[in-house]
Amino acid sequence: AQSVTQPDIHITVSEGASLELRCNYSYGATPYLFWYVQSPGQGLQLLLKYFSGDTLVQGIKGFEAEFKRSQSSFNLRKPSVHWSDAAEYFCAVGATSGTYKYIFGTGTRLKVLA
Amino acid sequence: GAVVSQHPSWVICKSGTSVKIECRSLDFQATTMFWYRQFPKQSLMLMATSNEGSKATYEQGVEKDKFLINHASLTLSTLTVTSAHPEDSSFYICSAHRDAYGYTFGSGTRLTVV
Repeated sequence: AQSVTQPDIHITVSEGASLELRCNYSYGATPYLFWYVQSPGQGLQLLLKYFSGDTLVQGIKGFEAEFKRSQSSFNLRKPSVHWSDAAEYFCAVGATSGTYKYIFGTGTRLKVLA
Repeated sequence: GAVVSQHPSWVICKSGTSVKIECRSLDFQATTMFWYRQFPKQSLMLMATSNEGSKATYEQGVEKDKFLINHASLTLSTLTVTSAHPEDSSFYICSAHRDAYGYTFGSGTRLTVV
């Protein structure tokens, strides 16, 4: 069965520090992989996505993610966090055919200390 | 491109009444739309998948008679919460899919049933 695991429910980092949010997935084949950010009471904004090709994906707002097939992971990174990055981050797996359904991880809430 | 408009952003209704939420793809035709529900501080749970002109496919545990989905055109899907009760209070988010654009999410609707 398809699943997405985000092991860290909460993460707190200082402004300017580096960030890594973990995401592990279970899927029968190579899925489409996504990272979204959600501010309180808001919808989701796509940070980046991986469909195929280069396993290091660059996204908006200085974020990047690396697809590691051997580890079934798609961790999100940012070298220097800004206070405005405080939000909820969701990793998602999308089917590559058929219904195109998404499965979301449980989310990681990021807190940034000034 | 690829903008999804969701309306209303928030709604308060009395218990027993019905509420309709609209999801429109503004600049593309969406072959498939998805409806998600998000409880406070939790992840998004897929409720149903709708394809234009056909019946929606509901996820296990979602009451199809409670959450009516209509996908009348390639740019509009509606979710009607019938006979709403306080436990239906939640954040509802739609997403539209079209091959060339991938997935785009609406900004969400906060439903409060009093």
